[in-house]
Amino acid sequence: NAGVTQTPKFQVLKTGQSMTLQCAQDMNHNSMYWYRQDPGMGLRLIYYSASEGTTDKGEVPNGYNVSRLNKREFSLRLESAAPSQTSVYFCASDRGIYTDTQYFGPGTRLTVL
Amino acid sequence: EDQVTQSPEALRLQEGESSSLNCSYTVSGLRGLFWYRQDPGKGPEFLFTLYSAGEEKEKERLKATLTKKESFLHITAPKPEDSATYLCAVKGDQAGTALIFGKGTTLSVSS
Repeated sequence: NAGVTQTPKFQVLKTGQSMTLQCAQDMNHNSMYWYRQDPGMGLRLIYYSASEGTTDKGEVPNGYNVSRLNKREFSLRLESAAPSQTSVYFCASDRGIYTDTQYFGPGTRLTVL
Repeated sequence: EDQVTQSPEALRLQEGESSSLNCSYTVSGLRGLFWYRQDPGKGPEFLFTLYSAGEEKEKERLKATLTKKESFLHITAPKPEDSATYLCAVKGDQAGTALIFGKGTTLSVSS
């Protein structure tokens, strides 16, 4: 039981390049989330998927797209990377119940030059 | 607007020196308050969930408490391995099931 897994762990991009961050969970959770963590800013929600087939914007969605591929997988795409997107990205999941605990992946550290 | 404020930003303790971390929150319809521990280069690791004022939960040297406006994470006789960043987050009616996080308290315990 791996929990929440993320690939890659590290990535360096040049401005304007695109990439997709992958996330998978094996806990049969309904809801999945993407957060970014920046120094002094805390964790902020980018997008989430309440259930398979649905996605919604969070606090900081600009410059990102997401795909809920199936119940297990939720990807985050940067179409044209910018230096402001340099951050650590975390994927999380839970059962989709208001009171439920969210479990986090190990993170992807992205640098955009 | 839902908001979470943690204090202090950083805390240095000697081994065995007990203290408390504060999490103040403003949320419309609290569904749950969550404490996580985060080690450098790792993802947040779940510690506790509190649902209603007056509730308390304990795990080893940690004890979390909740009032209508704030939560405390009490650390009793800390050890160097307790050094980490402690994150507080809430779920409320307005944000769906997403978490609203504070900026965290970085705890350093020296021997």
